[in-house]
Amino acid sequence: QSALTQPASVSGSPGQSITISCTGTSSDVGSYNLVSWYQQHPGKAPKLMIYEGSKRPSGVSNRFSGSKSGNTASLTISGLQAEDEADYYCCSYAGSKVFGTGTKVTVL
Amino acid sequence: QITLKESGPTLVKPTQTLTLTCTFSGFSLSTSGVGVGWIRQPPGKALEWLALIYWDDDKRYSPSLKSRLTITKDTSKNQVVLTMTNMDPVDTATYYCALEMTTVTDFGWFDPWGQGTLVTVSS
Repeated sequence: QSALTQPASVSGSPGQSITISCTGTSSDVGSYNLVSWYQQHPGKAPKLMIYEGSKRPSGVSNRFSGSKSGNTASLTISGLQAEDEADYYCCSYAGSKVFGTGTKVTVL
Repeated sequence: QITLKESGPTLVKPTQTLTLTCTFSGFSLSTSGVGVGWIRQPPGKALEWLALIYWDDDKRYSPSLKSRLTITKDTSKNQVVLTMTNMDPVDTATYYCALEMTTVTDFGWFDPWGQGTLVTVSS
């Protein structure tokens, strides 16, 4: 199956809110509320930020939130901070696991 | 505290078979709902899911790599082994293992991840 589509880059100033989209199809993102989101800083392993579409693991800031509309899932980061600068990946189930193309978040 | 760590060769030759081991602690792969997955990331590129094995020995493979992958577990040693045959330079990547917790097979998420191990395929 094909990778989920994410914008290559998103940027924002400190304190702003940004949203990263993750677009799939009616067979994956649209069929299940199972999207998870991962944050990856350079040279580090990915870290779970959101699971089952909108649930936050213990220890993850409430500035991170997830949602879904149709075949597109979204990760919103509010109150953008310098430490949020990283790559972000979505993941869903589509008969098997599939990751998104990844989005580089830049804090201006 | 749950930890996972990948180990294996850092350099393999084209056509060789890669064997990677994920050694974990803090959970048991005989517990219902537990799975361990492998994910890789070529330098500068996106994550790619490879394989998963569950507590009941149910296995899942990436459709595009299924013919080359085998995943097994040794519950007594707290290890999961991934083998990938016929390695090619395009398989050069950092390989991660991760814990998947789920109430329904296939529907889980990866948390936490190991630190990853870089495997280079070159003659």
